Amino acid sequence: SQQGEEDPQALSIQEGENATMNCSYKTSINNLQWYRQNSGRGLVHLILIRSNEREKHSGRLRVTLDTSKKSSSLLITASRAADTASYFCATDMRIQGAQKLVFGQGTRLTINP
Amino acid sequence: DTEVTQTPKHLVMGMTNKKSLKCEQHMGHRAMYWYKQKAKKPPELMFVYSYEKLSINESVPSRFSPECPNSSLLNLHLHALQPEDSALYLCASSQGDLLIETQYFGPGTRLLVL
Repeated sequence: SQQGEEDPQALSIQEGENATMNCSYKTSINNLQWYRQNSGRGLVHLILIRSNEREKHSGRLRVTLDTSKKSSSLLITASRAADTASYFCATDMRIQGAQKLVFGQGTRLTINP
Repeated sequence: DTEVTQTPKHLVMGMTNKKSLKCEQHMGHRAMYWYKQKAKKPPELMFVYSYEKLSINESVPSRFSPECPNSSLLNLHLHALQPEDSALYLCASSQGDLLIETQYFGPGTRLLVL
């Protein structure tokens, strides 16, 4: 299975602190994406990092990718209550010309005011 | 318009009922997806339509029947479901012809099978 594993499964921090989530995967990838899901809602794309990139930034988000270790991390700086959500990494593969995303187990992040 | 819409938001059905979930996007995307998500679990891919043709069926039971009437619409027909099919059903779309794609998700339909 190419499925990613994420840790921690749950993370609770105080508002203003930084939150770091990790993702590991098993097979070679083209790219790795991070998505956020608020409780019971659809997923929102956060950031995509290509296999030849090592680090990428978007606002308060920083993603790193280590293909030699088959791992990625998502750092959210200066966390806010609105960042409370589940965060999933997703790796992709092409099958018959179509894209298949395989999601990790997710990290449930709680930001305490 | 960068939105994927899904109807209904909630659905309760008996095991003998027939119902349909609907998904719509007007972003000109040519790939559309159905996912199933159980509580506290990641989304699991069910079906992928690429250019209105079924490209991927992840060995989904035949009680789930997808349909893509046109490039903007995706349906999921439900028949004789089991209680374990209760879940959040998510629709997504992507441009469909890029090597690296971002998927846009709808808000989901929360299904309860009694």
